[in-house]
Amino acid sequence: AQTVTQSQPEMSVQEAETVTLSCTYDTSESDYYLFWYKQPPSRQMILVIRQEAYKQQNATENRFSVNFQKAAKSFSLKISDSQLGDAAMYFCAYIRQGAQKLVFGQGTRLTINP
Amino acid sequence: GAVVSQHPSWVICKSGTSVKIECRSLDFQATTMFWYRQFPKQSLMLMATSNEGSKATYEQGVEKDKFLINHASLTLSTLTVTSAHPEDSSFYICSARGRRASGRAQPETQYFGPGTRLLVL
Repeated sequence: AQTVTQSQPEMSVQEAETVTLSCTYDTSESDYYLFWYKQPPSRQMILVIRQEAYKQQNATENRFSVNFQKAAKSFSLKISDSQLGDAAMYFCAYIRQGAQKLVFGQGTRLTINP
Repeated sequence: GAVVSQHPSWVICKSGTSVKIECRSLDFQATTMFWYRQFPKQSLMLMATSNEGSKATYEQGVEKDKFLINHASLTLSTLTVTSAHPEDSSFYICSARGRRASGRAQPETQYFGPGTRLLVL
């Protein structure tokens, strides 16, 4: 079964600095998608970034970028120029091509220090 | 990105009553919708998957007679908590996914509603 591991239960960063959240996954599939979702105190799950496994280029969305290492099965999220609004729970998720269920990691709680 | 609404956002009800929660995809056709439950400080727990026009598939341990799911159209799914009890109090989140790129939705991507907080007294 596929699993997603986020080894950092909590992280903190100073406002305006850069932080990297780790995520590793286990799969024997070659075609899949990876996601980072953000869940702020409102508890709305917000899609931050999406990566297709067949694409070698790392996805980026403004201040958010990923380091996708397919061979190492690693999918870390880098947040540049951290802002107070980035404070949230971040979930890494995996889905096999053609599957329906997302597999979530345990989450990393990110605190932004002013 | 694609937008999913969920209503109501808050429900307080008496034990023994039934509560219906609606989930709508606003700008894309959702062939599949998902219902999750989330306990404080935990990840999401999938309860069931529903495909438009067919019966929902429930995860192991989820009572299908307790949590009734209907996915009658490509934009609407409902979760009814029947005969609710205090232990059903939780945060319920729906998500929706299109089969392929539809409207503003990207394939293989789940878009989440804002969630419903249920408190059963």
